[in-house]
Amino acid sequence: AQSVTQLGSHVSVSEGALVLLRCNYSSSVPPYLFWYVQYPNQGLQLLLKYTSAATLVKGINGFEAEFKKSETSFHLTKPSAHMSDAAEYFCAVTFSGNTPLVFGKGTRLSVIA
Amino acid sequence: DSGVTQTPKHLITATGQRVTLRCSPRSGDLSVYWYQQSLDQGLQFLIQYYNGEERAKGNILERFSAQQFPDLHSELNLSSLELGDSALYFCASSVGLAGVRTDTQYFGPGTRLTVL
Repeated sequence: AQSVTQLGSHVSVSEGALVLLRCNYSSSVPPYLFWYVQYPNQGLQLLLKYTSAATLVKGINGFEAEFKKSETSFHLTKPSAHMSDAAEYFCAVTFSGNTPLVFGKGTRLSVIA
Repeated sequence: DSGVTQTPKHLITATGQRVTLRCSPRSGDLSVYWYQQSLDQGLQFLIQYYNGEERAKGNILERFSAQQFPDLHSELNLSSLELGDSALYFCASSVGLAGVRTDTQYFGPGTRLTVL
């Protein structure tokens, strides 16, 4: 069975500061990993995905994530937070294409001016 | 805009009632997934259809059912509604072809169901 743990249900950063959202996964097979963002009253938008190619994955809006097999982690980072980054972020795992996603509980990011 | 459409956007109904949620996948996508998002359970997979056939089942209650039609749109039917069914219901779609390692699920805007 697969699972995802997102450490910290709420993270608060100052505008311009580094954003670090943590995700650890558990999978008995090589995983496919995803980060989605959900803005208030909207659906989930794909930020980036890891599908066993490069371990450092670049996504939209300046976000990137690094797959570390030894640490079973896929943390999301952004060098400089912007007010528009305030949203809920979800890490998800699956074991192949065309299979359901298993989501973490989400991390709410607040950006303080 | 992901290209996945869901109707209605909001639904308010009473306990014991039945409702139908509709999803139209992105053009060309054969797989449709239904997820439920609630405060206590988070985002949970309900059911997946691929080209009209049920492919995978998750934590879907027996009171809930779904189907995918020949034009690939899907409907999620929720019956004998309870207060606890109040949630945001998302549909997602993907290409769904076997062996496509980079298959990605694109989510619709969701249907917010409120059961009173």
